[in-house]
Order: sequence, then structure tokens, then C-alpha cells
Amino acid sequence: GAVVSQHPSRVICKSGTSVKIECRSLDFQATTMFWYRQFPKKSLMLMATSNEGSKATYEQGVEKDKFLINHASLTLSTLTVTSAHPEDSSFYICSATESVKAYEQYFGPGTRLTVT
Amino acid sequence: LAKTTQPISMDSYEGQEVNITCSHNNIATNDYITWYQQFPSQGPRFIIQGYKTKVTNEVASLFIPADRKSSTLSLPRVSLSDTAVYYCLVGDGDTDKLIFGTGTRLQVFP
Repeated sequence: GAVVSQHPSRVICKSGTSVKIECRSLDFQATTMFWYRQFPKKSLMLMATSNEGSKATYEQGVEKDKFLINHASLTLSTLTVTSAHPEDSSFYICSATESVKAYEQYFGPGTRLTVT
Repeated sequence: LAKTTQPISMDSYEGQEVNITCSHNNIATNDYITWYQQFPSQGPRFIIQGYKTKVTNEVASLFIPADRKSSTLSLPRVSLSDTAVYYCLVGDGDTDKLIFGTGTRLQVFP
């Protein structure tokens, strides 16, 4: 099946610094990638949708200047958390789809971000 | 945005059948219903997907009534390794956005 990787799997950073998380589709070309955020014991919340070569579409309440998304190629999307604060600590999960049917999503393993 | 709701938690014993229901009374007309399994600190893993009636694969069955306002994931004979959180994913009828359900934490006991 389709494989999606994320890097790093876990990161700890100091408040005020920026952190970049990579999401890669390893064996398929992803027309669309999604970024989710998940708090402990809560469901996944969609942050943004990105298509290769175009600007990401952010969900209501998600600051686009704080969560920078770049979808530079059909196999790579990055999420940069700028000027991170402790409240940004969360589990970030990406997913990718190779078809126009967005429900056929393949999820990455997630990245746990801890901001101290 | 209509909420997609699931029971918070369920308990079962090994070998039993478990049925988890997701309520989605404002589902988008043309979207499929997908179920995922998630272990702690991992990304969701695809279980099964369907549009209507019944779908079965090697690990689960999915029952969808004609009005598609709910769906039931059926795990035939659970084992300890099925202890996880299960989510449904459906399209919202108003926004067409895919929305995860609230999640059901399944605990399987020996």
C-alpha cells in the first residue's frame, strides 16, 4: 500500500524558535496533502490542505503566518511552526492522496512537538 | 458544521464481536464513509470504506443504512491487539469538508 513518512517523529524545541516538519509520499505522487493537529485523547483536527505548487488552504482559526505550509513537489510537503509557544505542543499528522477523492487518504506516522 | 459523533469508549473481551457506530446526520451526498484505527502516538490506519449497504474485508465489516446518516463498524472477533481508538471520516453535507468523528476508545480484555 501507499506509504507516507514524516520527519522528525519527535521534536523538542524552545519557545520562540521555529520547527519544520516534513511529510513525504514514498511510493506515489500526492496531488493533495493534508495537515492535522491532534491533542491528547481528542480527534484529529484539519489544519490545512495543500496542493503542489499552490498556496495552502487553511481552516478557520488556523493562523497561516504561524503554520507555514509549503508543498514544493508531488512527494513533499512541509509544515513550519514559527515562533513556537508551549500551546503549540501537539501531535501533528500529515496525510496524502493521489486521487481527486480526498477520502482516500494515507496517513503519516505523526510528529510529536513539545515546546518548552 | 455538523458534528460526527461516536461513543467515547467501549469495552470487550477477546473473541467477541464489537460494533462501533458513527452518527453523521449531515453527510455529503457523494462521499464515502471511511473508518480508521489509531494506536497511541501513531497516525491513523485505514480499516474499511463504503458508500452504502454492507462492505466486508479481511478485518472488518461496515454497515450503512439507506439514509446514510450513520454507519457501523463491525470487528468480528477482537483480540488484545485491537485495543485502539477508532474513527469514522465523512464528508460534511454543507461544507463538503472531510470531518473525523469524535473517536471511540476500544479496550479489549483477555
